[in-house]
Amino acid sequence: RKEVEQDPGPFNVPEGATVAFNCTYSNSASQSFFWYRQDCRKEPKLLMSVYSSGNEDGRFTAQLNRASQYISLLIRDSKLSDSATYLCVVMQDSNYQLIWGAGTKLIIKP
Amino acid sequence: ETGVTQTPRHLVMGMTNKKSLKCEQHLGHNAMYWYKQSAKKPLELMFVYSLEERVENNSVPSRFSPECPNSSHLFLHLHTLQPEDSALYLCASSQVGGQPQHFGDGTRLSIL
Repeated sequence: RKEVEQDPGPFNVPEGATVAFNCTYSNSASQSFFWYRQDCRKEPKLLMSVYSSGNEDGRFTAQLNRASQYISLLIRDSKLSDSATYLCVVMQDSNYQLIWGAGTKLIIKP
Repeated sequence: ETGVTQTPRHLVMGMTNKKSLKCEQHLGHNAMYWYKQSAKKPLELMFVYSLEERVENNSVPSRFSPECPNSSHLFLHLHTLQPEDSALYLCASSQVGGQPQHFGDGTRLSIL
């Protein structure tokens, strides 16, 4: 089993729709969680951290379910500019070990 | 503007060449990282420097040699690379202690 798993997609979604991705992780001791987005041929950019109580940033909502060991990302009112690959990242201790998922590709269509 | 600058952006080299990738961070971070990203694969962590000391080397071939002269600069020295080493090489920095990493634009490396 991979340490961090994501559905590779692509998710083809009409503009304005709501879309959600999940990411599962295998190490129950994981401490920190992040969502990054990566545009084609660009570097990953931090989208948001994921907090235990869930957090929201504009149209984006991230949630953590420790019991089932997954995190989720919800995008409301999707825009064409949301088209990208979304990377789930899990930190397994408080130092530096980031484990990256392979990403979920999202395509927003007009 | 990312706060992490990588040069060069693109590099084409033969298998017998020696070259170096450079990374500089302006964020006051105390940890720096080299990643390799091949097409359709997850990011692969290559090296980690924390407080200028190498703390991670994920079974990377010796033809890749990192150097961290200070907390703001990181190099990746390349020597006799193989075609399968063609990839996007990303540098990142962070504060140690559960903080997210910030990436440079990457160097797209092609080995002929």
